[in-house]
Amino acid sequence: DQQVKQNSPSLSVQEGRISILNCDYTNSMFDYFLWYKKYPAEGPTFLISISSIKDKNEDGRFTVFLNKSAKHLSLHIVPSQPGDSAVYFCAASRESDYKLSFGAGTTVTVRA
Amino acid sequence: SQTIHQWPATLVQPVGSPLSLECTVEGTSNPNLYWYRQAAGRGLQLLFYSVGIGQISSEVPQNLSASRPQDRQFILSSKKLLLSDSGFYLCAFLMGETQYFGPGTRLLVL
Repeated sequence: DQQVKQNSPSLSVQEGRISILNCDYTNSMFDYFLWYKKYPAEGPTFLISISSIKDKNEDGRFTVFLNKSAKHLSLHIVPSQPGDSAVYFCAASRESDYKLSFGAGTTVTVRA
Repeated sequence: SQTIHQWPATLVQPVGSPLSLECTVEGTSNPNLYWYRQAAGRGLQLLFYSVGIGQISSEVPQNLSASRPQDRQFILSSKKLLLSDSGFYLCAFLMGETQYFGPGTRLLVL
């Protein structure tokens, strides 16, 4: 039972433009949402997170938006840079144990 | 600062052989620890988590087991590997509300 879904397996964007990655979830009990970036054969790197009591969190070029009523979150990267080319995973957890449920990932390719 | 180590980085094992993957964390005491697996082209699936020495919770029925013999050590094991055990295994620790991952072990079972 996939509780976190990333329906776009890939995204191609031109350098300097905005990348928008989307994520949907089904479990309304999730308290915390995270985005990770992953390169092949490496562990995921934490990017940014948002608590369920907020609707926006910003950190430099990265902004995460949460729409609880729609059970939807998105990650905006602006401006996109070549080093942003990687797989991005959306994840969610509950405060009780912080076990992560992951989406299948979106591969981002930033074109020069 | 906190760091997390995993070894080996890569492992090729025959079907039916045993397995032991190790994860250690530095710079923190009594962290929650987690084992995940990423199968080819898929997301990460939680296998085990531990809130303390000797305390292991299994998330999915499988051919693997986990142990936590020391505060900052988490071990993933199998007595007999299956082809389906191939994948990328990741260990993580919890700091605050965020999990931080190790570099991973790529396991290929032939």
